Parts: sequence; C-alpha cells; structure tokens
Amino acid sequence: EAGVTQSPTHLIKTRGQQATLRCSPISGHTSVYWYQQALGLGLQFLLWYDEGEERNRGNFPPRFSGRQFPNYSSELNVNALELEDSALYLCASSLEPSRGLFFGEGSRLTVL
Amino acid sequence: AQSVTQLDSHVSVSEGTPVLLRCNYSSSYSPSLFWYVQHPNKGLQLLLKYTSAATLVKGINGFEAEFKKSETSFHLTKPSAHMSDAAEYFCVVSPHGSGGYNKLIFGAGTRLAVHP
Repeated sequence: EAGVTQSPTHLIKTRGQQATLRCSPISGHTSVYWYQQALGLGLQFLLWYDEGEERNRGNFPPRFSGRQFPNYSSELNVNALELEDSALYLCASSLEPSRGLFFGEGSRLTVL
Repeated sequence: AQSVTQLDSHVSVSEGTPVLLRCNYSSSYSPSLFWYVQHPNKGLQLLLKYTSAATLVKGINGFEAEFKKSETSFHLTKPSAHMSDAAEYFCVVSPHGSGGYNKLIFGAGTRLAVHP
C-alpha cells in the first residue's frame, strides 16, 4: 500500500513568488494535515482538511492557504513568498488522529 | 491546556548501550501519546502509540515507551542502541474530549547521536 506522497521534493522560488505543494494521502484516509518544519522552530501546525473542508488552521497568515480535492488529495499554496518561508513542508494523513498521523517525505521549499 | 516537553534537546550514547529519551506531557483529558522518528531530510515515521490500553507500549525497531499517569511521563527506551537509530525523535500528544478539535501537539524534539 502506498504511503503519503508529496511533490515536488524540492522547490526553489524567489521572494514574492507563489509556491504550490501537493499531497496524496494514504488510500482511505480522509484527513490531511500540513505542517511547516523550519530550522530552529520545530514542527508548526499549518492546516487540517477533512472531507474537503478546512477544519482548522494554525497561527499562519492568510497567504498560506490550501484545499482538499474530492479524491482527498490536497494542495498547499503559499503566496507572496518571504525568506522565512524556507522550510520543509510535511503532509500527513489519518483516519482518526488518535491512531496517529502518517507523514510523507516532505517538500523542501527554498526562498531566495 | 495541553503541552508536551521533551526534557533533552540532545542525547548521545554509544552503540550497544541503552537509550532513554524523556517526555512529559500536560493534558486536561485522557490523551493519546506518540513517538515519531525523523531521519535527516526525511518525513516522520511513527514509532509507537499509546491509546489507553496497555501502559507499556512496544514499537518498531526495538523501541518501547511506558505511560505513567502519576508522573505525566511517556519516556522512550531501547535496550541497545544501533548506529541507525541516530535521528531526531518527537514526542506528540493528541488531546481527547476536545469536541472534535484535532491538533497534534509536538515536542521540540530530541536529537539522538550514536557513537561507535
């Protein structure tokens, strides 16, 4: 069974541009979570999607947005990129958080 | 409020010696607790989870953790470290009874170094 897959693996952008990151959850998982792992800041919760709806978001500005598609895959968009957006963005999926989240390998975004 | 504290940011052991990574949590409700491992430039892998069944939880790669409610601790142990165990480890709490509001709370991480 395929795990959580993320694309692209690496992405390089310049300040002010937009970045789009994609995530496919484990088959059957309806919830998708996005986390940012920036150097020195640990894992920060970004967004939670379930059944196509945004259920919760972390303490990030509105230029961080996303959506979940009918097939439960998800997209994270970051507009007006800033240098501090450089980080590893991790996607995770679950059926029920009490069972644990299953993470992808991440997308590393570098903003120059 | 829920929180999780990993008591050591770095732990260094010799190969073949025991590993202890410490985690304390604070939760108003009966929590689920997890340990994840992250190897360099990789995603997080679930090591083990506690969900109010047995207090001693066995995970993958020889790791185990014991839930101690009286001490609000969930320390991760392994009897004998292997070089491949060198990674960052995250203790995570998932609060229950929060009306469907689901957000895992991650500890800051403990970097484990294993020396020959």
